[in-house]
Amino acid sequence: AQSVTQLDSQVPVFEEAPVELRCNYSSSVSVYLFWYVQYPNQGLQLLLKYLSGSTLVESINGFEAEFNKSQTSFHLRKPSVHISDTAEYFCAVSVPRGFQKLVFGTGTRLLVSP
Amino acid sequence: DTAVSQTPKYLVTQMGNDKSIKCEQNLGHDTMYWYKQDSKKFLKIMFSYNNKELIINETVPNRFSPKSPDKAHLNLHINSLELGDSAVYFCASSQEARYQETQYFGPGTRLLVL
Repeated sequence: AQSVTQLDSQVPVFEEAPVELRCNYSSSVSVYLFWYVQYPNQGLQLLLKYLSGSTLVESINGFEAEFNKSQTSFHLRKPSVHISDTAEYFCAVSVPRGFQKLVFGTGTRLLVSP
Repeated sequence: DTAVSQTPKYLVTQMGNDKSIKCEQNLGHDTMYWYKQDSKKFLKIMFSYNNKELIINETVPNRFSPKSPDKAHLNLHINSLELGDSAVYFCASSQEARYQETQYFGPGTRLLVL
């Protein structure tokens, strides 16, 4: 079975500062990795995903994540955050076989203040 | 146009009642999902349907019964509601059921059982 650990339940940061949200996973087989974002009172939206190829993936709004197989990590980073990035961020994995069943971490709340 | 919609948005009810939540997607997707997000924001898949057929059924009490009348709709009926059923229920859809697909989430239904 797969599991995802997001050690930081909340990350406070000032606007324009860099941020890293940590995600570690456990799996006996290879996995696909996802970051979803949940803005207040909304459903989740895909931020980015790693399926294969380059281990560094980017989103359209400046976030990036790097797949590190040896450390079983998929940390999310942004060099300069905005107030509007305040949201809950969920890391998830799926196994590349059969039907998709996303296994989510417990989420990290990013709080950006002025 | 709302891609994945859920009704109702809020549901407050008494223990022992029966209630239904409806979900509709206008994305033309083949696969739909139900998730439960508890008070600690932990998100867990409950069911998944592909072309109206049940493909994922996690260890959910049989008081929960999903129903997919067509590819665009996935409803969730809950019998004999219990306090522990209080949560946010999210519907999602994806183009196909494959493991690399992006899932599109609805805004959620906040269920409170008193």
